[in-house]
Amino acid sequence: QKEVEQDPGPLSVPEGAIVSLNCTYSNSAFQYFMWYRQYSRKGPELLMYTYSSGNKEDGRFTAQVDKSSKYISLFIRDSQPSDSATYLCAMRLDANAGGTSYGKLTFGQGTILTVHP
Amino acid sequence: SQTIHQWPATLVQPVGSPLSLECTVEGTSNPNLYWYRQAAGRGLQLLFYSVGIGQISSEVPQNLSASRPQDRQFILSSKKLLLSDSGFYLCAWDPRWGRDEKLFFGSGTQLSVL
Repeated sequence: QKEVEQDPGPLSVPEGAIVSLNCTYSNSAFQYFMWYRQYSRKGPELLMYTYSSGNKEDGRFTAQVDKSSKYISLFIRDSQPSDSATYLCAMRLDANAGGTSYGKLTFGQGTILTVHP
Repeated sequence: SQTIHQWPATLVQPVGSPLSLECTVEGTSNPNLYWYRQAAGRGLQLLFYSVGIGQISSEVPQNLSASRPQDRQFILSSKKLLLSDSGFYLCAWDPRWGRDEKLFFGSGTQLSVL
């Protein structure tokens, strides 16, 4: 079993739709949760960053973390064609959890999203 | 502000040839540096990370090596490339400020080994 599972899609939605992207994980020691957006042949860019459980909102984007279920989500409201990209979830241990894991991220496989006009 | 430079953007190399990919970070000092590889349709796999000059940790056994000759320079190398080395290589850094370090990526190098 992979440490982080993410449905690779592809996911195709019409412009204006609400998009829900999800990841599950198995290591309960993960404390930091991130979503990256990656356009084709580009490096991933950090979209959302959350510590521990809870919700975080930034414009049209909302990240949710449910540590009890080991489940994280990214919601995109009023999706736009420019949101078409691969979305990667990532997570890491707390810096105090072990020096060898410090700063290293574990990534999901990535979900390919297409928003069509 | 901090920036990360990675080059070349695209590289086509024959099997058995050497490899050198370079990454530099500007606007910060003493960063953690990382090399990731992304196969087509796959997530990112951590190859190497470095917490300081000359300090390299390898995550997976492979045909590649890494070096950090200067504080903000990270190099990925191979003496003889294999077909399986093809992929999208990403350099990344984190600033090591406090406890909520965020990882920032370069633009990537698409390597095709033929």
